[in-house]
Amino acid sequence: QIQLVQSGAEVRKPGASVKVSCKTSDSSFHITWLRQAPGQGPEWLGWINSYNGNTEYAQSFQGRVSMTTDRSTNTAYLDLRSLRSDDTAVYFCARFGSGGNSGVWFDPWGQGSLVTVSS
Amino acid sequence: DIQMTQSPSSLSASVGDSVTITCRASQSIRTYLTWYHQRPGKAPKLLIYAASSLQTGVPSRFSGSGSGTDFTLTISSLQPEDFGSYYCQQSYSTPYTFGLGTKLEIK
Repeated sequence: QIQLVQSGAEVRKPGASVKVSCKTSDSSFHITWLRQAPGQGPEWLGWINSYNGNTEYAQSFQGRVSMTTDRSTNTAYLDLRSLRSDDTAVYFCARFGSGGNSGVWFDPWGQGSLVTVSS
Repeated sequence: DIQMTQSPSSLSASVGDSVTITCRASQSIRTYLTWYHQRPGKAPKLLIYAASSLQTGVPSRFSGSGSGTDFTLTISSLQPEDFGSYYCQQSYSTPYTFGLGTKLEIK
């Protein structure tokens, strides 16, 4: 059974950076990152091809986000820079699934990592 | 970006009831529509993909339908564990976007 285990909660000041990790049970699938602010629906940040490292980021995060993987440790990383107070959210990693006419889906998800941005 | 609008935003129903949640896309997304269930403090869980395909292990009381811009999620014979929030998500084009959710309370 696929499992994704994320790093713990982080507190950062505005303007700082944060790195969230996601350890997977194996490296045979691609990883996507999402976040969810309190009381809101999830927001998609982008995804990374675990085989070749290619990435696709949501335009609203371009220039501030980086996604990487370390196949030797089956760990994916999300880097978010120039943090603002509205970046406060629970950040999730998930397996990125897709299939022809079936579209794209995210399953399973990690348990989430709370990132708080506050001065 | 494609906007996803869910209704109702919240509802209350009894065990055994049938409930329907609606999701509307701001443009046609064909059948590139996914539904998730989220309990408080937990990660979302995949229920249905491609508008009507049930994810392995999801009870058959969940069903999805629709194409183009209008979609529905139906839960027949509601169970106590079905409380929480439900989200639709489009994957027709990036950025993949979600609705604001429907919060289901069990009476």
